Amino acid sequence: DPKIIQKPKYLVAVTGSEKILICEQYLGHNAMYWYRQSAKKPLEFMFSYSYQKLMDNQTASSRFQPQSSKKNHLDLQITALKPDDSATYFCASSQVGGADTQYFGPGTRLLVL
Amino acid sequence: GDSVTQTEGQVALSEEDFLTIHCNYSASGYPTLFWYVQYPGEGPQLLFRASRDKEKGSSRGFEATYDKGTTSFHLRKASVQESDSAVYYCALNPNTGYQNFYFGKGTSLTVIP
Repeated sequence: DPKIIQKPKYLVAVTGSEKILICEQYLGHNAMYWYRQSAKKPLEFMFSYSYQKLMDNQTASSRFQPQSSKKNHLDLQITALKPDDSATYFCASSQVGGADTQYFGPGTRLLVL
Repeated sequence: GDSVTQTEGQVALSEEDFLTIHCNYSASGYPTLFWYVQYPGEGPQLLFRASRDKEKGSSRGFEATYDKGTTSFHLRKASVQESDSAVYYCALNPNTGYQNFYFGKGTSLTVIP
């Protein structure tokens, strides 16, 4: 059974619209993350959350907003979508403390037209 | 700042060839080092990790040795197979309290049968 679920797998959006990417992990981890992968930047860290609190934000734009309604959920809301936002977005999780291994979900592939 | 440099962007080998992918890092103290592998359409998955100087990590015939003197963690495999074709990422966690990972740009390995 998949331990990290990301929904949807594929997403097509129009410029200017808003979308929410869903991530749920069933590994019992306390830290969750979002990464973006595109042709320009292979694997780019965006956010880290620990016990549902934002720990680090490396995203320059406020159009990207993580939302944590439960300990094992970390959704990503993207507003005012632009074609440059087209990428695959990966959710990851880890235990908290030390250099724990991060486990990645299968990704959501977003295409903005 | 903390960073990871992978020298090779793309590598093409024939089956049974020897593989080396170079990874050098920059970090203070003792970071934990990782190799991840990503297959098409999937998220990165851990290959192995190492936390101490001279520690060797290994999995599926791949190996790398943590070398603090040369700040390196080069990935090697004695005999590659077509199924090893994937993108390989070197990563580090600086062990400074945050869970942020720093990924290299990735090396795309193609093994020709």
